[in-house]
Amino acid sequence: QSALTQPASVSGSPGQSITISCTGTSSDVGGYNYVSWYQQHPGQAPKLMIYDVTNRPSGVSDRFSGSKSGNTASLTISGLQAEDEADYYCSSYTSSSTLFVFGTGTRLTVL
Amino acid sequence: EVQLVESGGDLVQPGGSLRLSCVASGFIFSGYWMHWVRQAPGTGLVWVSRIKSDGSSTNYADSVRGRFTISRDNAKNTLYLQMNSLRAEDTAFYFCVRTIGYRIDSWGQGTLVTVSS
Repeated sequence: QSALTQPASVSGSPGQSITISCTGTSSDVGGYNYVSWYQQHPGQAPKLMIYDVTNRPSGVSDRFSGSKSGNTASLTISGLQAEDEADYYCSSYTSSSTLFVFGTGTRLTVL
Repeated sequence: EVQLVESGGDLVQPGGSLRLSCVASGFIFSGYWMHWVRQAPGTGLVWVSRIKSDGSSTNYADSVRGRFTISRDNAKNTLYLQMNSLRAEDTAFYFCVRTIGYRIDSWGQGTLVTVSS
């Protein structure tokens, strides 16, 4: 089971919006609505930002939103803020023996 | 407040063994599936293993199946990962995590396992 494909890096200026893609296959992203997104600041554990494609946990800013089309899921962050600068990982349930697969990770830089 | 505290990480030689522990608090441990996720320094996240709430079912990533064993003691609110036949590529931070459905809603801070001679 290969990792889901994410862009290595994205960047944006404060106040702008950015979108991070997460591409898999029909065995994972495309086959199930179980895509999650995690934010990880340096030296810290990841934090859940989006689950089941579009849902936001309590306490997560509504500037974060998720969507999916076919085998590609997306995380959009609107109104970029300095504290959004972090690594972002998608994950999905997969029908393979691996069960769970993460994305390759995207480094977000706020210019 | 949910807390997951891992321990047991260490420097070990290739071929050696190590047991990681994760003590949970702040929630009813016996009600949740628990997993181990690892992250080699400077790289991405990789799912390792999971165990059902009552310990009756386990699953493993292909890369560790046959070498690692996940277990739990619900009376002690503790999750374990027994790692045998360790390889250099097992070097990573190991996170104990809790899932609800198919999402990880709680993470420990991780414990570092280094496999090197």
